Amino acid sequence: DGGITQSPKYLFRKEGQNVTLSCEQNLNHDAMYWYRQDPGQGLRLIYYSQIVNDFQKGDIAEGYSVSREKKESFPLTVTSAQKNPTAFYLCASSIGYGILGEQYFGPGTRLTVT
Amino acid sequence: GENVGLHLPTLSVQEGDNSIINCAYSNSASDYFIWYKQESGKGPQFIIDIRSNMDKRQGQRVTVLLNKTVKHLSLQIAATQPGDSAVYFCAENIYAGTASKLTFGTGTRLQVTL
Repeated sequence: DGGITQSPKYLFRKEGQNVTLSCEQNLNHDAMYWYRQDPGQGLRLIYYSQIVNDFQKGDIAEGYSVSREKKESFPLTVTSAQKNPTAFYLCASSIGYGILGEQYFGPGTRLTVT
Repeated sequence: GENVGLHLPTLSVQEGDNSIINCAYSNSASDYFIWYKQESGKGPQFIIDIRSNMDKRQGQRVTVLLNKTVKHLSLQIAATQPGDSAVYFCAENIYAGTASKLTFGTGTRLQVTL
């Protein structure tokens, strides 16, 4: 089965700790994205990557970091600098950045920081 | 814990009736639009897309209509079923030069009553 996997589904952390969310795709897509979803709001872009070893800041990158060392993997680290990290995080991929077409989403990770 | 649906407009439809979900988009330069369905606790799923050079596109039980004059997009679901209950949101793509961005609406919750 081709698709995007995110793990874990639920994640709990104490304030002040960094945490890394996993995202893997086997669709052979070049572009990958991280979004944050909060109740009553649309998806907001955190970071995106057009190709391996390249990534760009999205609209709300502060307090987050990413890496793209492999085509199939795009992990997101939520750092202690992120002031309001509790949210639902969605990873997505697409055939190529700038190519019109859908973004395929993973199942999401619910992060709760207390 | 739900991540979507709070404070969203809600459309209640009886099973078997047709549903119409509306979306106003923001940018007249948007060249591509997507409708997504998001079930409780899951990632968004692609439903149907349409390019800006089209007014209408049909899929299985779904139709998307695009009115560029008033920047309005609608999703019609025929013979609505209980499994259609979810949050639906539109996304618009703006591509200019080397930058491409998908912007998501906040969504509408569809409740199907028996």
